[in-house]
Amino acid sequence: SQQGEEDPQALSIQEGENATMNCSYKTSINNLQWYRQNSGRGLVHLILIRSNEREKHSGRLRVTLDTSKKSSSLLITASRAADTASYFCASIQGAQKLVFGQGTRLTINP
Amino acid sequence: DTEVTQTPKHLVMGMTNKKSLKCEQHMGHRAMYWYKQKAKKPPELMFVYSYEKLSINESVPSRFSPECPNSSLLNLHLHALQPEDSALYLCASSQGFISAGLNTEAFFGQGTRLTVV
Repeated sequence: SQQGEEDPQALSIQEGENATMNCSYKTSINNLQWYRQNSGRGLVHLILIRSNEREKHSGRLRVTLDTSKKSSSLLITASRAADTASYFCASIQGAQKLVFGQGTRLTINP
Repeated sequence: DTEVTQTPKHLVMGMTNKKSLKCEQHMGHRAMYWYKQKAKKPPELMFVYSYEKLSINESVPSRFSPECPNSSLLNLHLHALQPEDSALYLCASSQGFISAGLNTEAFFGQGTRLTVV
């Protein structure tokens, strides 16, 4: 079973705008991770936020975590055409299962 | 070397064929995963190997048979597949598990695009 629900399922914005994606999860977590997948290829790890952190930055990425609401958001600032991809949140279920949310398909229009 | 290498990149097989997918990593990771991904869907976990032992099987049909010959290699043996098994098969590895205090960031291969005819 998949861990999270993400919204929106698809997002289309103009280059230079900011993109925000949300993820909700059901079970308690130790950390929450975000991955990017370019069309039909492998996933690339973007950022990990631990359960005792509320916000984390990495370059143009900003991730927030609200454990009381069991939700996380990924913000990509100053978007570029190369950011066009699917974005997934993921968390560990039990001790060993890395489980992915439904994903957001992001399209950046030039 | 932070790569996970999967071969082949593409595979077309008949329903009576036997084939194998291969995955290799040289990062010393002790957790390895197989995922199946259908178009516009998230990756679905199939198997987890921990220290070369199968630790999780997500009720995967027996026509999929995983094997971990050593700490760097992971195979997925395929036999008598159905057309609905056509998908992108992804291998991933991570240092280990949270329970061991290890980093759970996963590194993915580029996948094998499997078509069953």
